[in-house]
Amino acid sequence: ELKVEQNPLFLSMQEGKNYTIYCNYSTTSDRLYWYRQDPGKSLESLFVLLSNGAVKQEGRLMASLDTKARLSTLHITAAVHDLSATYFCAVDMYSGGGADGLTFGKGTHLIIQP
Amino acid sequence: NAGVTQTPKFRILKIGQSMTLQCTQDMNHNYMYWYRQDPGMGLKLIYYSVGAGITDKGEVPNGYNVSRSTTEDFPLRLELAAPSQTSVYFCASSQGLAPPEQFFGPGTRLTVL
Repeated sequence: ELKVEQNPLFLSMQEGKNYTIYCNYSTTSDRLYWYRQDPGKSLESLFVLLSNGAVKQEGRLMASLDTKARLSTLHITAAVHDLSATYFCAVDMYSGGGADGLTFGKGTHLIIQP
Repeated sequence: NAGVTQTPKFRILKIGQSMTLQCTQDMNHNYMYWYRQDPGMGLKLIYYSVGAGITDKGEVPNGYNVSRSTTEDFPLRLELAAPSQTSVYFCASSQGLAPPEQFFGPGTRLTVL
């Protein structure tokens, strides 16, 4: 059974600070996804990481994937209040790709305080 | 493009009632999915479809049924609603392998009392 673990599950930080969210998964996969969810809203796709060593950046967010360590990170640089949200990582349910559905972590609830 | 649309947005059911959650996408995606999200948790896959006429069970299919008669529509049927089915339901679609990114609808918040 594929398991996806995120940590921390809750993070309160100040504006201007840097921090990293970690996502570990339990089985071989080279496809990892990061989503953002605002309260009461749907999921917004942030990053799709498709190979070992993949790194993607959008604004103050940068995501990376290490398939050998089964680890992805989401790094926040100089946080601003607008980044407050819940961030989910997700992995393809079955190794080898395909589109059989995603297994999600429990999410990291991020609060950025002025 | 409207993307993925879901109806209704909110619904309250009594125990034992049935209902259908509607999902439509206008992106011509072959792959469609139903997830549920319980409070404070990630999403769990209920059912998915790789094309019209083809459906398969996900992680938590018990108490649900689906059908896929067209590329655009993927309704989720709840039979004999139970309090354990109180959740937010999200429908998603994707092109499949290239790229594999899933796009999510706005969700249906269901309460079973």
